[in-house]
Amino acid sequence: DADVTQTPRNRITKTGKRIMLECSQTKGHDRMYWYRQDPGLGLRLIYYSFDVKDINKGEISDGYSVSRQAQAKFSLSLESAIPNQTALYFCATSDFSDRGNEQFFGPGTRLTVL
Amino acid sequence: AQSVTQLGSHVSVSEGALVLLRCNYSSSVPPYLFWYVQYPNQGLQLLLKYTSAATLVKGINGFEAEFKKSETSFHLTKPSAHMSDAAEYFCAVSEHGGSQGNLIFGKGTKLSVKP
Repeated sequence: DADVTQTPRNRITKTGKRIMLECSQTKGHDRMYWYRQDPGLGLRLIYYSFDVKDINKGEISDGYSVSRQAQAKFSLSLESAIPNQTALYFCATSDFSDRGNEQFFGPGTRLTVL
Repeated sequence: AQSVTQLGSHVSVSEGALVLLRCNYSSSVPPYLFWYVQYPNQGLQLLLKYTSAATLVKGINGFEAEFKKSETSFHLTKPSAHMSDAAEYFCAVSEHGGSQGNLIFGKGTKLSVKP
């Protein structure tokens, strides 16, 4: 079984719709992250959370919000989706005790906003 | 602030040839460095990491990378490419002991392997 799961894996939505992407992990890690990947731009950090009560903005947080419902769950919301949010979204986790901060990634959610 | 530069967005090699993917970093403190691989339609998988121990790091699938402080580089190599190595490769830096705890990724290098 996968340690980091993301749902849905693919989603097509329309401009202006609210959408939520979900991430769950069974690794027992305290830290969780949301990235988006665009061709030629690599991965860019949207939000990260070091524990349930700690939420931080990343490089490109505008237009996004997150919720850390439990240590194992971290959701990303697009309140009003726009076409330039079409991208591949990844959730990742890491362990506080790992000073190198090796991150473990989910399989990704491909989001298309029409 | 830390940054990562990957030279070459696309690299093409023949099967059996040397693979060399370049990564240069900028960091104000001793860095931890990573190489991740992304196969088509999959998430990122760790290939190897440098965490201030040996400067030559061996990873999975025959890949290795050498940390060169004087050149601020962490290039990824494999002596003999295989068709299954075709993927996108990302170099990343994590600041040693940094409070933010996030990784800074390069823009990626797509490796093609020709028969």
